[in-house]
Parts: sequence; C-alpha cells; structure tokens
Amino acid sequence: EPEVTQTPSHQVTQMGQEVILRCVPISNHLYFYWYRQILGQKVEFLVSFYNNEISEKSEIFDDQFSVERPDGSNFTLKIRSTKLEDSAMYFCASSAYSEQYFGPGTRLTVT
Amino acid sequence: GENVEQHPSTLSVQEGDSAVIKCTYSDSASNYFPWYKQELGKRPQLIIDIRSNVGEKKDQRIAVTLNKTAKHFSLHITETQPEDSAVYFCAATSDTGRRALTFGSGTRLQVQP
Repeated sequence: EPEVTQTPSHQVTQMGQEVILRCVPISNHLYFYWYRQILGQKVEFLVSFYNNEISEKSEIFDDQFSVERPDGSNFTLKIRSTKLEDSAMYFCASSAYSEQYFGPGTRLTVT
Repeated sequence: GENVEQHPSTLSVQEGDSAVIKCTYSDSASNYFPWYKQELGKRPQLIIDIRSNVGEKKDQRIAVTLNKTAKHFSLHITETQPEDSAVYFCAATSDTGRRALTFGSGTRLQVQP
C-alpha cells in the first residue's frame, strides 16, 4: 500500500537557521498539506497546496514559512529563520479527494 | 473558523469493554469528519470517517455516529483489545475533506488486559 514518506526523520538546528523538510506524497494524490504537532498537543494545520499553489494557510504559516513542489514527486516546507517555538513534529499529508493520509513526520528540534 | 472539542481527554477500559469518544464542532459548513489513531511517536492513521449525508458508519469493531443538528459525532470501539491503546483524534472540515482538518485535542485510550 503506498504511503507518504518524509525526510529527515529528525532535524536539529540552531535558532535562526533555515531548514527544509521534505515529503513525497502518494503518487496519484493532488492535494498536499503540512501540519505540525507540538509534543503532547493536538495536530495543527499549517498550509494546503493544490495545482501548484497555496490553497489555504493558517495563522501559524507566516512569512517565515514557504512551500514548494520542485518536481513531480517532492513537496517541501521551508522555515527561513527558525525559532525555539518552531520545535515540533511536522507532518506532511496528501489526499486524492477526501481522506488525508499522513507521513511519519519530521521531528524538528530548534536549540 | 472551525472549533472541535473532544472528550474525554483520557479513557481507561478493561479489555473486551466498549469505549466511546465524543466530539463537537462549531461550523455548520463542516461535512467531513475523520478519526485518526496515533500510537506513540507514530503518524496519525486514518481509521474511519463519515460524511454529513450519513448518520452512522461501521467498520468491524469501530463505528462512528454523526448528529448534524447537534453538531456532534462519536467514535465507538467495541470489544476493545490492548492494541487499541493509543491517542485518538477527531477532526472536521468542509468541502468533503479537501480543506484543512481542524483536530480535537485527543483522547488517550488505555485498554487494560
């Protein structure tokens, strides 16, 4: 069964550094999402992407964040200048129509 | 925007008993309600979903009910097993799921053998 994959599984970075989180959605899916989950809390929506553009974003997704689909398979989330409060698990998800399937996540630790 | 409330935050049952988790939502435009199971350190895994044109859906030991008038939906797990132990999240969205999911705060279910 196809799954969403994400790399790296764990990223440690210093405050102020840029990070890029990578995702490979399920191949026939057209809708892509990034969510994050701070340890012990609920999953929060960041951004959705369809037809090569952002279709929806939350208040969390400010100018420090960007997304890109650089080729036919990858979907990336960039954080330009990381802050301590960006430490969280970042999940990519993809959907063909309704059901959103999540990747295994990237744990981002900002020190 | 949408707001989803979930109760209880923790639930402990004996193996073989039933478990019920309840959620309420605020946006009457929401029409798609998935449930996710998340084991420690793992991805949220879609276990069942329901659309607003249906009142109940069942898949083996798992069922979900939806009351559109009251804006609440519930997850029912029968004959619980230790492997059902996890955190369960409800979610809601409009546009039959293509839009952002708004998650509840989660229920930690512990099934005692």
